[in-house]
Amino acid sequence: EAGVTQSPRYAVLQEGQAVSFWCDPISGHDTLYWYQQPRDQGPQLLVYFRDEAVIDNSQLPSDRFSAVRPKGTNSTLKIQSAKQGDTATYLCASSTGDTLYFGSGTRLTVL
Amino acid sequence: GDSVTQTEGQVTVSESKSLIINCTYSTTSIAYPNLFWYVRYPGEGLQLLLKVITAGQKGSSRGFEATYNKETTSFHLQKASVQESDSAVYYCALDNYAQGLTFGLGTRVSVFP
Repeated sequence: EAGVTQSPRYAVLQEGQAVSFWCDPISGHDTLYWYQQPRDQGPQLLVYFRDEAVIDNSQLPSDRFSAVRPKGTNSTLKIQSAKQGDTATYLCASSTGDTLYFGSGTRLTVL
Repeated sequence: GDSVTQTEGQVTVSESKSLIINCTYSTTSIAYPNLFWYVRYPGEGLQLLLKVITAGQKGSSRGFEATYNKETTSFHLQKASVQESDSAVYYCALDNYAQGLTFGLGTRVSVFP
């Protein structure tokens, strides 16, 4: 069974640039999560979906971050105008129950 | 809101010695959350180590154990005899009504021969 796939693995930007992260969850998993993990911290939930619906995006900086999951399968997280404080690893996870399965993450550096 | 506290950011231990990683939690819910330990081995993604969804129960995996203590709101991770292959970052987490996990800061464990 294929795991959660994320791309790209790395991204380096200047402040003000835009970037998108892509996630392909495990087939059949209805719930998809995006987490932000700054260096030396634990993952922090940004947004999660059940099928195509956003269930909770209260921690998503809505002025610059957006996330979609239009067909209830793959998902894209976008940062419109990156800041140095966005430097972190962005993790995608999927589940059908209480166990989350994580991808390898995208490590973002904003210069 | 919910929070998870891991008091040790880094632990160094000799092979074959015992290990304990402390975890306490706080939740605003009236119910008991599900509790988890996740681990990231070098070069790998975050993966589930063990979980306990019933207060008072113990979970175990790969020689590790953790007991859900609702009185002290703790979920400490223990192993009697560690190996070099246990070197990793360990995260305690709680799940309240399937609203996504709340993680602790993580504890980096280094096991040396």
